[in-house]
Amino acid sequence: DQQVKQNSPSLSVQEGRISILNCDYTNSMFDYFLWYKKYPAEGPTFLISISSIKDKNEDGRFTVFLNKSAKHLSLHIVPSQPGDSAVYFCAATDSGNTGKLIFGQGTTLQVKP
Amino acid sequence: KAGVTQTPRYLIKTRGQQVTLSCSPISGHRSVSWYQQTPGQGLQFLFEYFSETQRNKGNFPGRFSGRQFSNSRSEMNVSTLELGDSALYLCASSRAGTALEEKLFFGSGTQLSVL
Repeated sequence: DQQVKQNSPSLSVQEGRISILNCDYTNSMFDYFLWYKKYPAEGPTFLISISSIKDKNEDGRFTVFLNKSAKHLSLHIVPSQPGDSAVYFCAATDSGNTGKLIFGQGTTLQVKP
Repeated sequence: KAGVTQTPRYLIKTRGQQVTLSCSPISGHRSVSWYQQTPGQGLQFLFEYFSETQRNKGNFPGRFSGRQFSNSRSEMNVSTLELGDSALYLCASSRAGTALEEKLFFGSGTQLSVL
């Protein structure tokens, strides 16, 4: 049972445009959500997170939106840069499972110059 | 500050063998988690250790086991290897793993190939 789903395996955008990566979850107990970025041959690196008490969190070019009623979150990257090309993983956890993240399958983002 | 170190980087084994992977967390980090990454499956949680005790466990068979030492270093063992165990195994550390906001810092992983 996939509790966190990223339904788009890949996304391609032009440099300077907006990239929108989507993520859906099924477990209503999740109260903290994170995005990680992964380059080939490297481990995932933390990008941005959001608590369930918020519906938006912004950090520079990256903004995460959370819609609890729809159990949906999205990551917006504006403007997209070629260096953003990587695999993006959505992850979720709850206060009873610290140290354990449930990840989506990942979305490969390609930003074309 | 050194990051999370995983050894070896690559490993080739045959079916039926066993393997041990090693992870050294960031200095001062006491929580170590292990994840398996396979194509199309994302990262799947294996287990988490804190102060030499397993605090959390994922849905993997008993062939997958781990331990943590007093210096917080951790090892993961897979016995009776199967072809489906071929994957990238990632280790992550955090200070204490007790707060939702604690970030996990990942190593570069060990790529295991089972032939």
